[in-house]
Amino acid sequence: ELKVEQNPLFLSMQEGKNYTIYCNYSTTSDRLYWYRQDPGKSLESLFVLLSNGAVKQEGRLMASLDTKARLSTLHITAAVHDLSATYFCAVGALIQGAQKLVFGQGTRLTINP
Amino acid sequence: ETGVTQTPRHLVMGMTNKKSLKCEQHLGHNAMYWYKQSAKKPLELMFVYNFKEQTENNSVPSRFSPECPNSSHLFLHLHTLQPEDSALYLCASSPAPWDTEAFFGQGTRLTVV
Repeated sequence: ELKVEQNPLFLSMQEGKNYTIYCNYSTTSDRLYWYRQDPGKSLESLFVLLSNGAVKQEGRLMASLDTKARLSTLHITAAVHDLSATYFCAVGALIQGAQKLVFGQGTRLTINP
Repeated sequence: ETGVTQTPRHLVMGMTNKKSLKCEQHLGHNAMYWYKQSAKKPLELMFVYNFKEQTENNSVPSRFSPECPNSSHLFLHLHTLQPEDSALYLCASSPAPWDTEAFFGQGTRLTVV
């Protein structure tokens, strides 16, 4: 069974600070996704990571993937209020011949002025 | 605006009703997905279609019946639902399954009474 765990689930931080959200998963995977969701809105794709050691950056967000450790991180640099949202990781894997995609519980990020 | 449009945005239905959710994309994508987002559970993948063919059904009850008449349209037919089926139903599309980022619609907020 593929399990995906994010931590922390809730994060309140000040503008200008750095922080990291972690996404651990339980079985071998060949792809990992990060999404952002604003309250009452849909999901916005942030990153798609498809190989070990992949690192992608967009503005103040940087995502990385370590398939050996079964870990992905989403790093926030010098946070600004506009980054307040819920962030989800999702892990895909081929299990018993079927493609599975499992989402983490989400990390609700609040950035205070 | 992601290019994926869902209608209706809100739906209230009784347990004996039959209703349908509609999803439309004109992004030229070949893969389309239905997801369920409940208040207290992680986002769940329900169905995957690739080139109009269903490729994944993640043990979804038969009271949910998907239909994909062409690569641009996806429906979710609902009948004899239960109150616990109340959730946000999200449609997404991607150029190809799994290896590319998905674009999500705004969702249909479904309430079963």
